[in-house]
Amino acid sequence: DGGITQSPKYLFRKEGQNVTLSCEQNLNHDAMYWYRQDPGQGLRLIYYSQIVNDFQKGDIAEGYSVSREKKESFPLTVTSAQKNPTAFYLCASSIVGLNAEAFFGQGTRLTVV
Amino acid sequence: DAKTTQPNSMESNEEEPVHLPCNHSTISGTDYIHWYRQLPSQGPEYVIHGLTSNVNNRMASLAIAEDRKSSTLILHRATLRDAAVYYCILRDVEHSNYQLIWGAGTKLIIKP
Repeated sequence: DGGITQSPKYLFRKEGQNVTLSCEQNLNHDAMYWYRQDPGQGLRLIYYSQIVNDFQKGDIAEGYSVSREKKESFPLTVTSAQKNPTAFYLCASSIVGLNAEAFFGQGTRLTVV
Repeated sequence: DAKTTQPNSMESNEEEPVHLPCNHSTISGTDYIHWYRQLPSQGPEYVIHGLTSNVNNRMASLAIAEDRKSSTLILHRATLRDAAVYYCILRDVEHSNYQLIWGAGTKLIIKP
């Protein structure tokens, strides 16, 4: 089935550690996005990429890093510089365009312990 | 950035129509109006989008005001599976990344 897959679903991290969240899509989409969602809030954009080997910062990029070495993959690293990393992280993909539908993964819930 | 305003929550009875309002008074002429919904602990799901004319698909209808400053998502016959948070979003032409600007959404409660 075509879709977008995030792993793991739940992730626990000790303070001071970096952790990488996986996002893979087989929809042949050029654009991929990472969002963060806090309880009762809407989604906030962390990073996005519209083409391989290129990505741009979103509204809350500090403390995060990404790579886009393959069209299908857009991993997100939450670094120790992120002061409040506990959140629900969502990856999405779409074709590039104003009327494009975004497809979302099921999310990764990250908890710092 | 153009923003949207939605009620925090709404209730409806099962098998009745639901009208979810959204205000976007600062919308620009080329911004698309998108609706997504999100079930608890899941990723959002696309519902519908439009620019100027009313739109229908198998999930819902989208009614857009003539001045485009408001829109209404219509679920014709709500079921318990429609209980979710519904987001009205503008796809912003001013940003080259075409990013979706998310608000807090409307929590739709369906009563059996």
